[in-house]
Amino acid sequence: GENVEQHPSTLSVQEGDSAVIKCTYSDSASNYFPWYKQELGKGPQLIIDIRSNVGEKKDQRIAVTLNKTAKHFSLHITETQPEDSAVYFCAAGTGNQFYFGTGTSLTVIP
Amino acid sequence: NAGVMQNPRHLVRRRGQEARLRCSPMKGHSHVYWYRQLPEEGLKFMVYLQKENIIDESGMPKERFSAEFPKEGPSILRIQQVVRGDSAAYFCASSPGMSGSGEQYFGPGTRLTVT
Repeated sequence: GENVEQHPSTLSVQEGDSAVIKCTYSDSASNYFPWYKQELGKGPQLIIDIRSNVGEKKDQRIAVTLNKTAKHFSLHITETQPEDSAVYFCAAGTGNQFYFGTGTSLTVIP
Repeated sequence: NAGVMQNPRHLVRRRGQEARLRCSPMKGHSHVYWYRQLPEEGLKFMVYLQKENIIDESGMPKERFSAEFPKEGPSILRIQQVVRGDSAAYFCASSPGMSGSGEQYFGPGTRLTVT
């Protein structure tokens, strides 16, 4: 089965700086890579996703890159704000089945 | 358009009791997934259902756990004879079900505490 590794497990940045979270996956058949943001006491919220036919996708301050050859993908958050503080999860899979990384706790320091 | 709904939000059960967790998918969604999240850990897939069908239950423990998604009404995750190790947050997600679409939208979760 798929194995998704996520780094770092914790990340602190100053407000306005960029944050980068990296994930690797093992199954070359995976073709869908979503990212979720989870705030304390809430369910994960889909913030951006990328499919294997695309190398990069951007949505305002959030971007995701995918390197299928190396089997890794990354989340980039620019101009971080305190409200970006949360746990971020990557996932990889195919169709309706995917596997999650262990999460990155991001703290944005005002 | 209401999102995925789960109830109860918090559930306390004593060891040996049964826990029933409910999930109503987003309107128009026909696929439901259940995940378990232990403190400080990621989401672990449990089961994937369509109406009246279990598609993939490879993540479900073999004993005490069952899930259903009837033709009418919410999906139910049932845990019989709960033990302390069952204490966790249980999340439900739903998707439109279009083949390969991938997007899953999560509910707020049910936090189960076994005393």
